[in-house]
Amino acid sequence: SQTIHQWPATLVQPVGSPLSLECTVEGTSNPNLYWYRQAAGRGLQLLFYSVGIGQISSEVPQNLSASRPQDRQFILSSKKLLLSDSGFYLCAWSVRAGGLYEQYFGPGTRLTVT
Amino acid sequence: GNSVTQMEGPVTLSEEAFLTINCTYTATGYPSLFWYVQYPGEGLQLLLKATKADDKGSNKGFEATYRKETTSFHLEKGSVQVSDSAVYFCALSDRAVLTFGGGTRLMVKP
Repeated sequence: SQTIHQWPATLVQPVGSPLSLECTVEGTSNPNLYWYRQAAGRGLQLLFYSVGIGQISSEVPQNLSASRPQDRQFILSSKKLLLSDSGFYLCAWSVRAGGLYEQYFGPGTRLTVT
Repeated sequence: GNSVTQMEGPVTLSEEAFLTINCTYTATGYPSLFWYVQYPGEGLQLLLKATKADDKGSNKGFEATYRKETTSFHLEKGSVQVSDSAVYFCALSDRAVLTFGGGTRLMVKP
């Protein structure tokens, strides 16, 4: 069966510090991968998605970036964090099955920028 | 573009009450529709899905019917439990990207 891991689970970082969040998927090949952000009490914002190694689509211009160095690894980074980067970061994966893409989410990383 | 509109919460119900959470969508083409549930501090879990008009998705006592004529996918449950307290998200899929509604918080009191 497929599983998705995210780490760290929680993170407290000062303004201006760098960020690296990691997501890995097991049990599937060539998945689509996604990064979302959820601000406190609000909905989901798609940040990046990737259909293959080195292929990244950015949905929202900001000081975050994403990379996919391996088929099942997706990394979210920032060189300098802002207070507004605080939130709950969710990674997700999907594959096409029967013409349908279902997305499955990881447990999330709660980031607090102080 | 695609969009999903959900009723604003919170929705507060007593245990064993009937639940409806409204969801309407705007899309080009023929999207698939989903309901996801998020328990406090966790990621989203797929609750149910429907891929074409008149399909009914169901899981754990929850149901939703894909209504193309009204562009709706309302979530229902006949008798809610305290453990159903969570945030519920309606979403549509246009190929590989999901468009989410804003989420509806459900609180069930004993």
